[in-house]
Amino acid sequence: ETGVTQTPRHLVMGMTNKKSLKCEQHLGHNAMYWYKQSAKKPLELMFVYNFKEQTENNSVPSRFSPECPNSSHLFLHLHTLQPEDSALYLCASSRAAGVGTGGSQYFGPGTRLLVL
Amino acid sequence: KNEVEQSPQNLTAQEGEFITINCSYSVGISALHWLQQHPGGGIVSLFMLSSGKKKHGRLIATINIQEKHSSLHITASHPRDSAVYICAVYNTDKLIFGTGTRLQVFP
Repeated sequence: ETGVTQTPRHLVMGMTNKKSLKCEQHLGHNAMYWYKQSAKKPLELMFVYNFKEQTENNSVPSRFSPECPNSSHLFLHLHTLQPEDSALYLCASSRAAGVGTGGSQYFGPGTRLLVL
Repeated sequence: KNEVEQSPQNLTAQEGEFITINCSYSVGISALHWLQQHPGGGIVSLFMLSSGKKKHGRLIATINIQEKHSSLHITASHPRDSAVYICAVYNTDKLIFGTGTRLQVFP
């Protein structure tokens, strides 16, 4: 148990659906991250929020829309996804963004997404 | 070519064996992270280090900044150590990940 929870753990959706992934951290951290992990590829950073402000968008398609209402919660809204978006989506948090101030990142268990 | 390379990609061992996983990187870093990912996806941080050596239980991590190389050692390996071990480096405040080493330890 890392103090970072994600729901749902598994999600199957059609290309026309709209769904949301939720991440919650109970560590008092101020930075939260979304990562994508596809088979046989390194984790890819998608978004970074630091003190509720988005500080990084790693050229992610607009069909992925993040939302960070407060430092403890992070959402990833999904719409009109493609089958190649099927992957494990991992959320992480740290004290603040950047290793100089942030320390270790703590990861959630991930949401395994299948787009049909 | 990835900026962070791990070897081997896959590793099998008998219970009790000494395990070494290697990580080489080609960028400047401020720290290096070793992570463990169990089946099902959850990732746990094992070590974050910027110099020397750290030990936690049966796990030892070393880093040589001049050679841009880090190793993760597992002594007296156990089937519960079976997981994917991921090396990640902090470069200009971003984490760059290796593709991971899949370890299976058999009884």
